[in-house]
Amino acid sequence: GEDVEQSLFLSVREGDSSVINCTYTDSSSTYLYWYKQEPGAGLQLLTYIFSNMDMKQDQRLTVLLNKKDKHLSLRIADTQTGDSAIYFCAEMEGRGAGSYQLTFGKGTKLSVIP
Amino acid sequence: DSGVTQTPKHLITATGQRVTLRCSPRSGDLSVYWYQQSLDQGLQFLIQYYNGEERAKGNILERFSAQQFPDLHSELNLSSLELGDSALYFCASSVDWASGGAPKADTQYFGPGTRLTVL
Repeated sequence: GEDVEQSLFLSVREGDSSVINCTYTDSSSTYLYWYKQEPGAGLQLLTYIFSNMDMKQDQRLTVLLNKKDKHLSLRIADTQTGDSAIYFCAEMEGRGAGSYQLTFGKGTKLSVIP
Repeated sequence: DSGVTQTPKHLITATGQRVTLRCSPRSGDLSVYWYQQSLDQGLQFLIQYYNGEERAKGNILERFSAQQFPDLHSELNLSSLELGDSALYFCASSVDWASGGAPKADTQYFGPGTRLTVL
């Protein structure tokens, strides 16, 4: 199957920007997603980007997509201690016959230092 | 709160047993997805149902099966359990992955998960 890769850990100071990176392999991916998982909780959708876009901004979140390099990043401005969580990158992957599924990376654990 | 509910929250059982996990999708969502999250494998897609029918299969073992009922709730059945089946099992729902054409950004909303421990 296709792979989605992320670095496993990121540590930043409160108030700084965090940048979480992701690479994917399916060039036909149409949508790419960022999910957040807090301890003991399910996955919460943060944002998504369509593959014909380069950038999407939503309040403190900025998603950058480099389709040529198959690289996706999530920037969190003014990172707060409440942003500490695991962040998952996911790509929508076609499985034929009008069926699609999400393939997730292993997640990046973001630790925010007060 | 995503609107997706899962029961039970925790389940502890022994090897060789069989368990059933239950998921109720968000109101109006037709698709249900099951995922397994473990430390070594990460988040793995297991299976998808759309309006009662199986739509896609991922890395689901033959010992596992699922179904979606007319009221759209879904059950994941895990049998002949092994220690390695201990994991978090998530259900997600969405309105419709695709309507025979180009995919939409059909967001999947995740439930809180069922933590299965096999002893």
